[in-house]
Amino acid sequence: AQSVSQHNHHVILSEAASLELGCNYSYGGTVNLFWYVQYPGQHLQLLLKYFSGDPLVKGIKGFEAEFIKSKFSFNLRKPSVQWSDTAEYFCAVNNENFSAGKSTFGDGTTLTVKP
Amino acid sequence: DVKVTQSSRYLVKRTGEKVFLECVQDMDHENMFWYRQDPGLGLRLIYFSYDVKMKEKGDIPEGYSVSREKKERFSLILESASTNQTSMYLCATRDSSLSGNTIYFGEGSWLTVV
Repeated sequence: AQSVSQHNHHVILSEAASLELGCNYSYGGTVNLFWYVQYPGQHLQLLLKYFSGDPLVKGIKGFEAEFIKSKFSFNLRKPSVQWSDTAEYFCAVNNENFSAGKSTFGDGTTLTVKP
Repeated sequence: DVKVTQSSRYLVKRTGEKVFLECVQDMDHENMFWYRQDPGLGLRLIYFSYDVKMKEKGDIPEGYSVSREKKERFSLILESASTNQTSMYLCATRDSSLSGNTIYFGEGSWLTVV
C-alpha cells in the first residue's frame, strides 16, 4: 500500500520568508506526485504535479517542488511567501498500477502567513 | 474548466436519517471519488468508481454506500447517519488522459449529524 507523510502540521511564517513543506511517500514503484492547496472557504485545487522528466516542477503562484527519488520525497518550496498563501496544503501520490489510480493524501499542512 | 458540482453545501441531519450527497461532473471523466476531510486526518477515501455501475471500497467505507447509474453522477449514501459522520465530504473526478491524471474536486458538502 502507498502512504504519504507530511511532517509539518502547522507552519507559521512572516511575509517574505522562505517556505519548504516536507512530503515523503512510501510506494517504491513509479508514482505520480501532486501538491494541492485549499484556500480558506475554497475547494481543493491543484498546485503542481510530477509525472516524469525534470524532477524540479513549477506550479502556480511561484511554488515549486523537487522530486528526489532516492529519498522518496516531494517537498514544496516557495522563496518568498505572501499573506495570500495562507492555506492548507496537501501532498498526494498515486500509481497507475494501484487500484484504478486512486490517490493517497497526506494529513495536510496548515500554513499561516503573518502580514 | 472542469466543473464538479456538489448539490448540497451545508446539511444538518438527525441521527438515524438516510442522507444522500449528490455529485455531478461535466467532463466525461470515468473515475469519480468520495473523500471525507477531517482536521488532522487529511483526506480519506470512502469509495470510488471507475465506470458506470462499478464501485470499489476505499479506506473507510463502513457506514457508506454509493451509486453510479450515469457517468456524470456519483452519489454517496449514508444509510443511517451517525454523529461520527459529521464531516466535510468531497467529491472528485480524475482526468486519466496522458498528460492529466489530475484530480478535480468539488466545493465540498458540510454535513452535521445531531
